[in-house]
Amino acid sequence: TQLLEQSPQFLSIQEGENLTVYCNSSSVFSSLQWYRQEPGEGPVLLVTVVTGGEVKKLKRLTFQFGDARKDSSLHITAAQPGDTGLYLCAGATDKLIFGTGTRLQVFP
Amino acid sequence: SAVISQKPSRDICQRGTSLTIQCQVDSQVTMMFWYRQQPGQSLTLIATANQGSEATYESGFVIDKFPISRPNLTFSTLTVSNMSPEDSSIYLCSVDTVGTQYFGPGTRLLVL
Repeated sequence: TQLLEQSPQFLSIQEGENLTVYCNSSSVFSSLQWYRQEPGEGPVLLVTVVTGGEVKKLKRLTFQFGDARKDSSLHITAAQPGDTGLYLCAGATDKLIFGTGTRLQVFP
Repeated sequence: SAVISQKPSRDICQRGTSLTIQCQVDSQVTMMFWYRQQPGQSLTLIATANQGSEATYESGFVIDKFPISRPNLTFSTLTVSNMSPEDSSIYLCSVDTVGTQYFGPGTRLLVL
């Protein structure tokens, strides 16, 4: 069974702080995706990383794919209340395997 | 991109009854996916629905409990049969378009 463990499970921070979310697996994935889900909505794709060691930036969000394509991280700089939500990583094989999720709350 | 709508958006049902959830996509897609998201948890794939063939179910999910229809390339239904409180979840449909997976807003189901 392929598992994607995310840490931390919950994160509650003040506006302006930095944070990192980790996504780890013992399995190799052809690509890894990060989603954000807000209450009452479905997950929305933020980024796809494909190459081991790849780093992608999306404004204040930095995504990194591990060299062995088994793990990934999401770093948010100067978090804002609008970043609040459930962050999900998902590894692609013949289907999409979702991580355990990280619930982020950013207080003004 | 793909815009996905689901009906109903939420429902409260009595145990032993069945509920059919509809998923409509604004473009033709080959595969549609049905996921379950239990309260506070991540997404678990229930089945993959291809038009013109039977759905493929993941381990732990069976057709008798979650029958799926896929009558055309823009529409699918998932039925949650003989419901119990353990079926209380968010049910999401999803499509894959050019390597990007898009999700519907979900159907929030509470079984009493």
